[in-house]
Order: sequence, then structure tokens, then C-alpha cells
Amino acid sequence: GAVVSQHPSWVICKSGTSVKIECRSLDFQATTMFWYRQFPKQSLMLMATSNEGSKATYEQGVEKDKFLINHASLTLSTLTVTSAHPEDSSFYICSARGGNTGTGELFFGEGSRLTVL
Amino acid sequence: AQSVTQLGSHVSVSEGALVLLRCNYSSSVPPYLFWYVQYPNQGLQLLLKYTTGATLVKGINGFEAEFKKSETSFHLTKPSAHMSDAAEYFCAVSEGSGANNLFFGTGTRLTVIP
Repeated sequence: GAVVSQHPSWVICKSGTSVKIECRSLDFQATTMFWYRQFPKQSLMLMATSNEGSKATYEQGVEKDKFLINHASLTLSTLTVTSAHPEDSSFYICSARGGNTGTGELFFGEGSRLTVL
Repeated sequence: AQSVTQLGSHVSVSEGALVLLRCNYSSSVPPYLFWYVQYPNQGLQLLLKYTTGATLVKGINGFEAEFKKSETSFHLTKPSAHMSDAAEYFCAVSEGSGANNLFFGTGTRLTVIP
């Protein structure tokens, strides 16, 4: 089956620094990728939709200048948390949708846990 | 608008007992329905999905779910729980193959008691 990989799995950073998380589709081309945020013991909340070659679409309440998304190729989308603060600590999960899935299935990465000190 | 309600944030069953995780959905169009499993510090893995056709859907690891339109439900079951089934389970709905997003329920944590 389709594989989506995220890197890094864990990251710890100091407050005020920026952190980049990568999401790669390993065996298929993903025209659309999605970034989710998951707080402890809660569900996944969609942050933004990343479209290859165009600007990302952010959900209401998500700061686009805070969470920069770049989908520069059909196999890679990146999420950069800029000037991170402790409240940005969370589990970030990406998913990818290939052009030929056809049934609404999304393939999820393993997630990236961000801890901001 | 679409939404998913998972009744019971935490379910405990004995090993070998029936697993029943409840999911009700709301959708203005014929839904596509999914169950995902999440192990600690991992992403989501698809258990099964309903798109069209047969309403009883079989998935991996012995799980199955039945789409009941009249009840707007898509409950997940497994006849006999195994210790390895302990995880978080999410029900999700989308508006079909062209949908850009999945709407997730709040999740149900399954604990299996030896």
C-alpha cells in the first residue's frame, strides 16, 4: 500500500526557534497533502491543505504566518512552525492523497511530536 | 456539513470478549466512512472503509463494521479482543472520493484486560 513518511518523529526545540517537519509520499505522487494537529487525548484537527505548486489553504483559526506550508514537489510537503512557543507543542500528522486513490482514502504519516521548551 | 460522534471515549473489554466501538455520523450527502487505529506516538492506520455496495465491511485484524443508513451508524466490532487491539480508534466521514478532508470523531481508547 501507499506509504507516507514524516521526519523527524520527535523534535525538541527552544522557544522562539523555528522547526521544519517533512512529509513525503514514498511510492506515489501526492497532489494534495493535509496537515493535522492532535492534542493529547483528542482527535485530529485539520490545519491546512497543501496543494503542489500553489498556496496552502488554511482552516479557520490557523495562523498562516505561524505555520508555513510548502508543497514544492509531488512527493514532499513541509510544515514550518515559526517562532515556536510552548503552546505549539503537539503531535503533528500529515496525510497524502494521490491522484489515483479514487475512494477518499488518505494515507497518514507516522506523526511528529513537537515539544517546545 | 459533516460530523462524527463516537460514544464512549474509553472502552474496556476482557481478552477474548466482543469489541464494540460506536460511531454515528451526520452527512448531507452519501458518506464515505472510515475507521482508523492509532497506536501510541504513531500515525493512523486504516482498518476499514465503506464507500458503496455491501454495507458490512471487513477490515484488517479481524475487525468489521456495518453501515446502517437508517441509524446513521457505522459501529466497529470484533468478535474476540486481543491484547494487541489496545489502541485509540477513530471514526471518520468524508463526502466521497472527491472530498478534500476527513472529519474525525473524538476517538475511543480501547483497553483490553488480560
